Amino acid sequence: QLQLQESGPGLVKPSETLSLTCTVSGGSISSNVYYWGWIRQPPAKGLEWIGNIDYSGRTNYNPSLQSRVTISVDTSKNMLSMDLNSVTAADTAVYYCARTHPLTGESNAWGQGTLVTVSS
Amino acid sequence: EIVLTQTPGTLSVSPGERVTLSCRASQSVTRNNLAWYQQKPGQAPRLLIYGASGRASGSPDRFSGSGSGTDFTLTISRLEPEDFAVYYCQQYGSSPLYTFGQGTRLE
Repeated sequence: QLQLQESGPGLVKPSETLSLTCTVSGGSISSNVYYWGWIRQPPAKGLEWIGNIDYSGRTNYNPSLQSRVTISVDTSKNMLSMDLNSVTAADTAVYYCARTHPLTGESNAWGQGTLVTVSS
Repeated sequence: EIVLTQTPGTLSVSPGERVTLSCRASQSVTRNNLAWYQQKPGQAPRLLIYGASGRASGSPDRFSGSGSGTDFTLTISRLEPEDFAVYYCQQYGSSPLYTFGQGTRLE
């Protein structure tokens, strides 16, 4: 059974870089069937797509975050990573990794999410 | 930029009722690539519907999706106690590539 597990620091200081990883088990991240990516949710707010990556390493990013975010995969570790630099309090959110269908765009598998707080 | 507007924001309902949730797009959704998710407190969203009307694996058959172009609907035929949650619609294809509605809460 496919499982996604996010990990990373719960607290990041303003202006620093937020780095998260997502370990995938029960399936291969190098499969050419799906995209793998990140979605976030500020406390008590809605969902915001951050970006995703396909098996070849091609990335798609939300234009509102594109200048600050980098998504990558480590196929040897079956792991997805995300770096978001120059963070502010507005980046405080629960961050989810998710598997997304490349043609129809739905995310049919999600991690449980990890809360990241930006504060000094 | 495409915007998805969900109405109502909050809906007061009772178990056993038929419930209809609306999602309207500011422009036509590419190939009707519209999905619906259910999110309960402290949990990740769960996919219910994809491609506007396709039922996701494990999604109960009381959930159905319909619509095309700019107007989409999620219907719960008979509300169960476990269906009280927030429901989000999401489109794929217009900039930004993936956009979510603001959600409808069932209480």
